[in-house]
Amino acid sequence: RKEVEQDPGPFNVPEGATVAFNCTYSNSASQSFFWYRQDCRKEPKLLMSVYSSGNEDGRFTAQLNRASQYISLLIRDSKLSDSATYLCVVESSGGSYIPTFGRGTSLIVHP
Amino acid sequence: NAGVMQNPRHLVRRRGQEARLRCSPMKGHSHVYWYRQLPEEGLKFMVYLQKENIIDESGMPKERFSAEFPKEGPSILRIQQVVRGDSAAYFCASSPQGADGYTFGSGTRLTVV
Repeated sequence: RKEVEQDPGPFNVPEGATVAFNCTYSNSASQSFFWYRQDCRKEPKLLMSVYSSGNEDGRFTAQLNRASQYISLLIRDSKLSDSATYLCVVESSGGSYIPTFGRGTSLIVHP
Repeated sequence: NAGVMQNPRHLVRRRGQEARLRCSPMKGHSHVYWYRQLPEEGLKFMVYLQKENIIDESGMPKERFSAEFPKEGPSILRIQQVVRGDSAAYFCASSPQGADGYTFGSGTRLTVV
């Protein structure tokens, strides 16, 4: 089983749609979680951290379910500019804190 | 307040040559991570360094690859005797102690011909 798994997609949605991505992780000792966004041929950029209580930033909401070992990202009112690959990142404490990336979920928002 | 600086942006090497990739972390960041990304693939962890120390190199190939983060100057990822399979984007990320997230450089795209 891979450490961090994501559905690669692509998710093809119209503008204004609500879309949700899930990500599962295998290490129950994982401590920190993030969502990153990566545009084509660009570097990943931090979208938001994911806290146990969940967190919201504008149209973006992230949730963590420790019991089931998954995190989610919800995007409301999708914009064309949201088209990108969304990377799930899990930081585990196995002696050193290493951020492990999922392969990413591709989102395409069309007019 | 410069971000994470990586150079060169693009690097072309012939098979058998050496490639040196440089990464200057953000000011105040003492942790550096190197990742490799193949086309249509995810980011694969290679090595985690702090100043003058390799903390975790579990993702580094056993041969030809090495990394350092000296007391002065940038972190260097060195690939000796490059092969076509080394062609990829190499990203560096940095964070301060107790970080809430990592900041990436714009990457070095290595092409081996």
